[in-house]
Amino acid sequence: KAGVTQTPRYLIKTRGQQVTLSCSPISGHRSVSWYQQTPGQGLQFLFEYFSETQRNKGNFPGRFSGRQFSNSRSEMNVSTLELGDSALYLCASIKDRVENTGELFFGEGSRLTVL
Amino acid sequence: AQSVTQLGSHVSVSEGALVLLRCNYSSSVPPYLFWYVQYPNQGLQLLLKYTTGATLVKGINGFEAEFKKSETSFHLTNPSAHMSDAAEYFCAVSNQAGTALIFGKGTTLSVSS
Repeated sequence: KAGVTQTPRYLIKTRGQQVTLSCSPISGHRSVSWYQQTPGQGLQFLFEYFSETQRNKGNFPGRFSGRQFSNSRSEMNVSTLELGDSALYLCASIKDRVENTGELFFGEGSRLTVL
Repeated sequence: AQSVTQLGSHVSVSEGALVLLRCNYSSSVPPYLFWYVQYPNQGLQLLLKYTTGATLVKGINGFEAEFKKSETSFHLTNPSAHMSDAAEYFCAVSNQAGTALIFGKGTTLSVSS
């Protein structure tokens, strides 16, 4: 069974640009969450999507957005990049939002460097 | 609101020694608790989880953790460290819906020969 797949794995952007990251959840998983990991702030929750709707959102500015498609694949977008957006962006999936135990399955992440 | 505190950002042990990584949590509801491990340049891998039932939870690679409600703790132990255990370890508590995790700052485990 394939795991969570994130693309691209590495990318470099310059300040002011925008970036789109993609996540394909485990087959059959319907909820996708995104996390930002930085040395200073650690792992922080960005948002969660289920059935193409954002269900939960962390404390990030509006430059960070996402969406989910009917096949459960998700993308997140960061506009007007800042140096502080350099981070590892992790995607995680869970099978369903009902009667789940909170276990998330993580991808290997997309490492974004902003110059 | 839930929160997690991991005591010690860096723990160093010798190969074969006991590993103890400390985690305290705050939660207004019965928590789901997790330990994840992250190897360099990789995502997070679940080590073990506590949801309900037995408070001593066994995970992969010889790790186990005990949920102590009275102490609001969920410390991770391994009786014998291996070089391959060197990684960063994260304690986490899930939100009420079970759809998002609140992570501690992480503890880097170093194992020397």
